[in-house]
Amino acid sequence: EADIYQTPRYLVIGTGKKITLECSQTMGHDKMYWYQQDPGMELHLIHYSYGVNSTEKGDLSSESTVSRIRTEHFPLTLESARPSHTSQYLCASSAWTGNYGYTFGSGTRLTVV
Amino acid sequence: AQSVTQPDIHITVSEGASLELRCNYSYGATPYLFWYVQSPGQGLQLLLKYFSGDTLVQGIKGFEAEFKRSQSSFNLRKPSVHWSDAAEYFCAVGGGGGSYIPTFGRGTSLIVHP
Repeated sequence: EADIYQTPRYLVIGTGKKITLECSQTMGHDKMYWYQQDPGMELHLIHYSYGVNSTEKGDLSSESTVSRIRTEHFPLTLESARPSHTSQYLCASSAWTGNYGYTFGSGTRLTVV
Repeated sequence: AQSVTQPDIHITVSEGASLELRCNYSYGATPYLFWYVQSPGQGLQLLLKYFSGDTLVQGIKGFEAEFKRSQSSFNLRKPSVHWSDAAEYFCAVGGGGGSYIPTFGRGTSLIVHP
């Protein structure tokens, strides 16, 4: 079944550690996105990609980086985690533009202590 | 730039009652409009979308939404709510300017009483 997978689902990590959140999709979608979600707030776009070797920063300033070496894989990396990075991170993909609707992963809930 | 307002942070209904969740948008042209649902601990799932044509849109799980251009609204409705509908609901408006990335509202939390 075509889907989008995020790992890990939950992560508790100490300040200063480097972490990578994984996102993979089996639908062959060119467009992929990372959102940050906090309770009661809008989803904030932090990175997106329109294809292999294409990455862009979103509206929300972020200390994370992304890469897109393969169509199906769009990992997000924090070089040095801080408590302010505590949040839920959602990965999404779309066949055309986001205006045709997203498929979301189940999210990674990150806690930095 | 486009924007979305969901006026209600929480909505409480009894099981079997009807539901209407409000969404108002701001966009200069004919909008792309979406409703997504997020169950606890999950990502968002697309319920329905409007691009053009019939202003009453049918979605999954028995939901529908009506686009009203004069009111800049895209309210979500369901005639009879089930306990499993308890979730967070997000309205979104499609983007322009070349990126075509939607803007999401803050969400409305639906609580269903037995």
